[in-house]
Amino acid sequence: DAKTTQPTSMDCAEGRAANLPCNHSTISGNEYVYWYRQIHSQGPQYIIHGLKNNETNEMASLIITEDRKSSTLILPHATLRDTAVYYCIVRANAGGTSYGKLTFGQGTILTVHP
Amino acid sequence: DAGVIQSPRHEVTEMGQEVTLRCKPISGHNSLFWYRQTMMRGLELLIYFNNNVPIDDSGMPEDRFSAKMPNASFSTLKIQPSEPRDSAVYFCASSFRQGLTGELFFGEGSRLTVL
Repeated sequence: DAKTTQPTSMDCAEGRAANLPCNHSTISGNEYVYWYRQIHSQGPQYIIHGLKNNETNEMASLIITEDRKSSTLILPHATLRDTAVYYCIVRANAGGTSYGKLTFGQGTILTVHP
Repeated sequence: DAGVIQSPRHEVTEMGQEVTLRCKPISGHNSLFWYRQTMMRGLELLIYFNNNVPIDDSGMPEDRFSAKMPNASFSTLKIQPSEPRDSAVYFCASSFRQGLTGELFFGEGSRLTVL
């Protein structure tokens, strides 16, 4: 699976949009971009995923560049409860005998402050 | 749904003792994963089951670690004998049609301390 690069940490003011970048310049055509987050002392939580079109759900939006070499996770109105480690993961959805395993990197520590 | 249930939440044991961690996946999910998290190594996949069958155990550190899934609603991860370097948080996750959606549901984890 392609490797991802994320900033180690970011800050955001409560109520503002948090924009978390991720570089995945070696992504291949069948690989999806996934975002998970991990709030302190909890298990990771799925946020969103996409292939090449922008995606939005109740938690966040995912913007993928046209060349697919980078993406941005947007939390439109960050709250204190969004403080967490955010993981950007690239992997191929399973086909044949592959099960598309998720490999977590170090992620971005997002701190939302009042 | 209660989500993925793991037990115990916390375990403190002495080196050389056997440790058994338990996981109940979400009903109807057919894929189950065991991960380990430490400060040094982050989140590492240990083993993956699909329809109760182990598919990939390449992440299991050594023979001291073993995992079983006797049925669709229960899995165990056993460490025997335990060592201080096994201290970590162990997460279990389950998924339905993992290959198609990629969404894993994680439990709250079992924090293991080996003295």
